[in-house]
Amino acid sequence: GESVGLHLPTLSVQEGDNSIINCAYSNSASDYFIWYKQESGKGPQFIIDIRSNMDKRQGQRVTVLLNKTVKHLSLQIAATQPGDSAVYFCAENGGAQKLVFGQGTRLTINP
Amino acid sequence: DSGVTQTPKHLITATGQRVTLRCSPRSGDLSVYWYQQSLDQGLQFLIQYYNGEERAKGNILERFSAQQFPDLHSELNLSSLELGDSALYFCASSVVGGHTGELFFGEGSRLTVL
Repeated sequence: GESVGLHLPTLSVQEGDNSIINCAYSNSASDYFIWYKQESGKGPQFIIDIRSNMDKRQGQRVTVLLNKTVKHLSLQIAATQPGDSAVYFCAENGGAQKLVFGQGTRLTINP
Repeated sequence: DSGVTQTPKHLITATGQRVTLRCSPRSGDLSVYWYQQSLDQGLQFLIQYYNGEERAKGNILERFSAQQFPDLHSELNLSSLELGDSALYFCASSVVGGHTGELFFGEGSRLTVL
């Protein structure tokens, strides 16, 4: 069935360190994946996306890795800053014209 | 600012009542999506409209309905409200109709049912 899950509900990192947020998906037919960031009191904000014909995609301080063999997605944030504190959601196109979102990982930054 | 406007931002009502949430998409976006986010939960897809027509349906209850008007704004109607309907309701818009590409989310309407 369709499900997008996360390995850890919370992640705490030191400021300046790299953060890695993981996500597992179950729909092998999904061909598009997105990471969203949701700050407190705000709507989700697009971070980066990746299509299934790619293994890696880089943005500004962020990298998304896709492992289709084990149906795993990760978001790497370089040199984590206080402004990166948020809940991060992965999402996949679950077929039937809809995005399926994971439960989210709360990232907190320690000074 | 995503360019998506949702009203009201907060709404408190009683069980059994009916409310309407409104969404104005980004200028030029033809698709509107509605999501429900309960406390500490992920985003549950409710429904999508594209240029006035229903395009996809998710886990939307029969007590809920939506529509997209000719000016492309959308309304989500929630009726016979129950305590469990308390949640954040997000609207998102995109240029295209399919589920690829970036969705732009509004800041949500927080519904509290007492």
